[in-house]
Amino acid sequence: EPEVTQTPSHQVTQMGQEVILRCVPISNHLYFYWYRQILGQKVEFLVSFYNNEISEKSEIFDDQFSVERPDGSNFTLKIRSTKLEDSAMYFCASHGHAQETQYFGPGTRLLVL
Amino acid sequence: GQSLEQPSEVTAVEGAIVQINCTYQTSGFYGLSWYQQHDGGAPTFLSYNALDGLEETGRFSSFLSRSDSYGYLLLQELQMKDSASYFCAVSKGDKIIFGKGTRLHILP
Repeated sequence: EPEVTQTPSHQVTQMGQEVILRCVPISNHLYFYWYRQILGQKVEFLVSFYNNEISEKSEIFDDQFSVERPDGSNFTLKIRSTKLEDSAMYFCASHGHAQETQYFGPGTRLLVL
Repeated sequence: GQSLEQPSEVTAVEGAIVQINCTYQTSGFYGLSWYQQHDGGAPTFLSYNALDGLEETGRFSSFLSRSDSYGYLLLQELQMKDSASYFCAVSKGDKIIFGKGTRLHILP
């Protein structure tokens, strides 16, 4: 069964450094998302992406964040200058048609020191 | 604002039935979903209610009442592997808004 994949599974970085989290959505999906989950808390929406542009973003998704679909398979989340509070699990999700169930990747655990 | 309220923890016995409630203060959403998340894992879709009423998927059922701003997830014949966190969520526009989750503990 096709699945969303994410790399790396874990990322440790120094405060102020840039990180890029990578996702490969399910191949025929058109809608892509990033969510984050701080340890012990709920999953929070960051951004949605459709037709090569951001369709919606939350207040968390400030100028430090950006997303890109550099080719036909990858979907990336870049954090330009990481802060301690960016430490969280970051999940990518995708689906094929509007209002379909979203399929989540296994997540990248980001630790900012 | 938008919020979904769930109990933080529920405990039940293996083989029993448990109901996890979700009340919400939000409007204009497409449907109420339920996700399961094991420790260290990703949210996994369980059930979706677009309309009022009961949806059944194997051992799991979900219910929605828009007039009462209320829904629940019902788990039957509990197994130890059902120990996880369960999140209710609403689909609004392109995004999913999650509740804070209910930690389900299952006793043998």
